[in-house]
Amino acid sequence: EPEVTQTPSHQVTQMGQEVILRCVPISNHLYFYWYRQILGQKVEFLVSFYNNEISEKSEIFDDQFSVERPDGSNFTLKIRSTKLEDSAMYFCASRSTGTPNTEAFFGQGTRLTVV
Amino acid sequence: DQQVKQNSPSLSVQEGRISILNCDYTNSMFDYFLWYKKYPAEGPTFLISISSIKDKNEDGRFTVFLNKSAKHLSLHIVPSQPGDSAVYFCAASGLGGATNKLIFGTGTLLAVQP
Repeated sequence: EPEVTQTPSHQVTQMGQEVILRCVPISNHLYFYWYRQILGQKVEFLVSFYNNEISEKSEIFDDQFSVERPDGSNFTLKIRSTKLEDSAMYFCASRSTGTPNTEAFFGQGTRLTVV
Repeated sequence: DQQVKQNSPSLSVQEGRISILNCDYTNSMFDYFLWYKKYPAEGPTFLISISSIKDKNEDGRFTVFLNKSAKHLSLHIVPSQPGDSAVYFCAASGLGGATNKLIFGTGTLLAVQP
């Protein structure tokens, strides 16, 4: 069964450092997303990406965040200068279409710990 | 601004009995609702969904009911099994935009006791 894969599973970084979280979406999917879940809180939307550009972003997704699909298979989330409050589980998701009734497939997540 | 709310952080039921997980929403523009299940150290996995034009959708042991006038939906699991123990997230979609992001609730931890 096709799946979304994320690396690394756990990343520890110093405050102020840059991190790149990587995702390989399902190969024939066209819509890509990043969500995050701070411990004990709800899963929150960060950004959606389609046709090589950001389609929508939340207020969390400020200038410190960027996304890229550098080679047609990977989808990355970069945080330029990490803050303590960026510590969370980050989930990548992909869908074949952007219609509401299309299932979103999630990766297993990357746990980011900023110290 | 909690557009999707799950007011019960946890629920414990006996194996074989019915589990009922509840979800409320505030935005009447949502047109699709989904339930996701999440095990520890894994990403959410899709379980079942319902369009806003329906009031019930059934898939095996799982049934989702939608009450639009009350802005309430529920997930019924019958019979509950120990393997159903997980966090269940209610999510809503359809606010427009090209990609229809999901708005999640805070989740309910279901524990099914053998």
